Amino acid sequence: GAGVSQSPSNKVTEKGKDVELRCDPISGHTALYWYRQSLGQGLEFLIYFQGNSAPDKSGLPSDRFSAERTGGSVSTLTIQRTQQEDSAVYLCASSLGGTWSGPAYEQYFGPGTRLTVT
Amino acid sequence: EDQVTQSPEALRLQEGESSSLNCSYTVSGLRGLFWYRQDPGKGPEFLFTLYSAGEEKEKERLKATLTKKESFLHITAPKPEDSATYLCAVQATGATNKLIFGTGTLLAVQP
Repeated sequence: GAGVSQSPSNKVTEKGKDVELRCDPISGHTALYWYRQSLGQGLEFLIYFQGNSAPDKSGLPSDRFSAERTGGSVSTLTIQRTQQEDSAVYLCASSLGGTWSGPAYEQYFGPGTRLTVT
Repeated sequence: EDQVTQSPEALRLQEGESSSLNCSYTVSGLRGLFWYRQDPGKGPEFLFTLYSAGEEKEKERLKATLTKKESFLHITAPKPEDSATYLCAVQATGATNKLIFGTGTLLAVQP
C-alpha cells in the first residue's frame, strides 16, 4: 500500500522567507510525527499529533516553527522567517497510534523534504 | 536524560565478513527499542522493534538483540546491498511516543 508521502522533495528559500512542508500519512494511521535531520546530527523530534488530542510541541526549536493537522490526516509544518540554521531534511512519520501495544508504536517514515536556506 | 549512543560511527566490511553494531541507551522507562536502515537521500526504513530484555528478532541476514542497557544488530555474511546507515532509537514510557535516535552507524560492505 501507499507509504508516507511528503512534498516538496526539495525546497530552496531565501533567508527570512516563510516555507510550508506537507505530509500525507499512511491511511488509517492516527499518529503523526515530524523530525529534523541535520548534517552529521541524529534525527531530532519536533512535534507529535495523536488523533484529536493536543499535540506534543516539546521539540519545536523556536516560535518560528508551527504545525497543524487537518481532519486527522494531512499535516503542514510551517517555518516563518527562515534562518540558515533551519537548513536540514525534515522527515514525517506515522504510526497506528492509539492505546494499543506493539505495532501501534512502529513509526514509518516518508522520504523527507530537503530544505536549503540561502 | 534519555540518551542513545551508537558505535562504531562507521564500519567497513568485506562481503561475507560478519560483525555487530552496538546501541547503548539510558531511558527512564523503555517502551521499545527500534532499528532502522537509511539509504542516502531516503527516509529511514523500519527494521525491528524490541520490547524487553532477552528478546531477539531476525530478518534475512540481520538479527537484533536487547539487554537492559544495550542492543546489538548482528549482520551475518553481509552483501554489498546491506551498505547503509543503521539507526537505533528508543521510545520511553509516558504520554509522548517520540523516538530518541542515536547518530547511526555507517556500514560499507565491499565486494
